[in-house]
Amino acid sequence: DAKTTQPNSMESNEEEPVHLPCNHSTISGTDYIHWYRQLPSQGPEYVIHGLTSNVNNRMASLAIAEDRKSSTLILHRATLRDAAVYYCILRVKSNSGYALNFGKGTSLLVTP
Amino acid sequence: DAGVTQSPTHLIKTRGQQVTLRCSPKSGHDTVSWYQQALGQGPQFIFQYYEEEERQRGNFPDRFSGHQFPNYSSELNVNALLLGDSALYLCASSLGGGAGQYFGPGTRLTVT
Repeated sequence: DAKTTQPNSMESNEEEPVHLPCNHSTISGTDYIHWYRQLPSQGPEYVIHGLTSNVNNRMASLAIAEDRKSSTLILHRATLRDAAVYYCILRVKSNSGYALNFGKGTSLLVTP
Repeated sequence: DAGVTQSPTHLIKTRGQQVTLRCSPKSGHDTVSWYQQALGQGPQFIFQYYEEEERQRGNFPDRFSGHQFPNYSSELNVNALLLGDSALYLCASSLGGGAGQYFGPGTRLTVT
């Protein structure tokens, strides 16, 4: 299975943009890039996903490199409620459904 | 609209015992996946159920088994509990195992 590499932790000031990087150099052509986040004492929460083109939604933006070997999750204005562990995941498709293979993620600290 | 619910919230068992955890998917979802999250780690995929059948399985021993009912709810059973089974067990639901998976708050299992 293709794997992802993320920094263990990052820190940001409140109301500033945050760029969370992810490397996935062994990604295959059919793997979707998913981002989830897990707030303290909660289950993971879907953030965004994409295949080749950059994606935007109300929570964040996803910038995907042209060679697809890396991607960046962008939080446009970090708030204290964005403090969480962010997971970059390659959604592996088999003939019988999809599994999410989580790594250790990036722990984001947001300071006032 | 209720999201994914899990019961119980917390559970303490003794080594060698058996445990059953329960999950009700988000309304309209037909696929349930189970994950184990050890402290400080990302969730690890256990298995996925669709149409009352185990569709995909992660690298977990046969002591871990499951069931899906006609109303799409699911159970996770773990036999012969080991101390290493202590973890947060997360249930996630989706439609057809597709894009976004919605996670429940988890069941915290402690094995003593």
